[in-house]
Amino acid sequence: QVQLVESGGGVVQPGRSLRLSCAASGFIVSNHGMHWVRQAPGKGLEWVAVIWYDGSDKYYADSVKGRFIISRDNSKNTLDLQMNNLRAEDTAVYYCVREDRNGYSYFDYWGQGTLVTVSP
Amino acid sequence: DIVMTQSPDSLAVSLGERATINCKSSQTVLYGSNNKNYLAWYQQKPGQPPKLLIYGASTRESGVPDRFSGSGSGTDFTLTISSLQAEDVAVYYCQQFYSTPSWTFGQGTKVEVK
Repeated sequence: QVQLVESGGGVVQPGRSLRLSCAASGFIVSNHGMHWVRQAPGKGLEWVAVIWYDGSDKYYADSVKGRFIISRDNSKNTLDLQMNNLRAEDTAVYYCVREDRNGYSYFDYWGQGTLVTVSP
Repeated sequence: DIVMTQSPDSLAVSLGERATINCKSSQTVLYGSNNKNYLAWYQQKPGQPPKLLIYGASTRESGVPDRFSGSGSGTDFTLTISSLQAEDVAVYYCQQFYSTPSWTFGQGTKVEVK
């Protein structure tokens, strides 16, 4: 069955970097758009980044553009998020999410999330 | 970016009663070329990731109980829980897929038992 398992979260100081990883199983990541969505403590959902199914394009929310980099390793079937120059407002649970396009578009599978805390 | 606004922010409903959540988009999410609404609904229980309930504004995801239904078109949408169960206590989000690459969510509606 489809599974997404995030790792790499933790406590980091402002200005430092952190790399999140998402291990996918039960499907091939290169067949889907893959996203990162985050949720600050007690807040709503915020889309962060996407890598197109064929890897041709990557897009970012304005709040992370120029600081975060999304990438994919097809040989390992994993998705990564390199987060640089972290700020306090980046503190959130980060979810790895699969997009399906079966006539429509929707986020059909979500990982359990990994918590990133940016604090001095 | 398309702004998604949900109402109310929270509601309390008695068990077995109907719960109705509204979602309004700042511009249409209906594609004229295929007459499809690119709107999804999710349920998030405490400590869990969101779960897809509805896509295409009204198509129930496999395994979702039929007490959940979605309706609406263009800019105005509704998620209805026809008979609230205790396990339906959660926060519900709408999301648009029309304006990409900027997938936006509503702010969420918290559903509780009265």
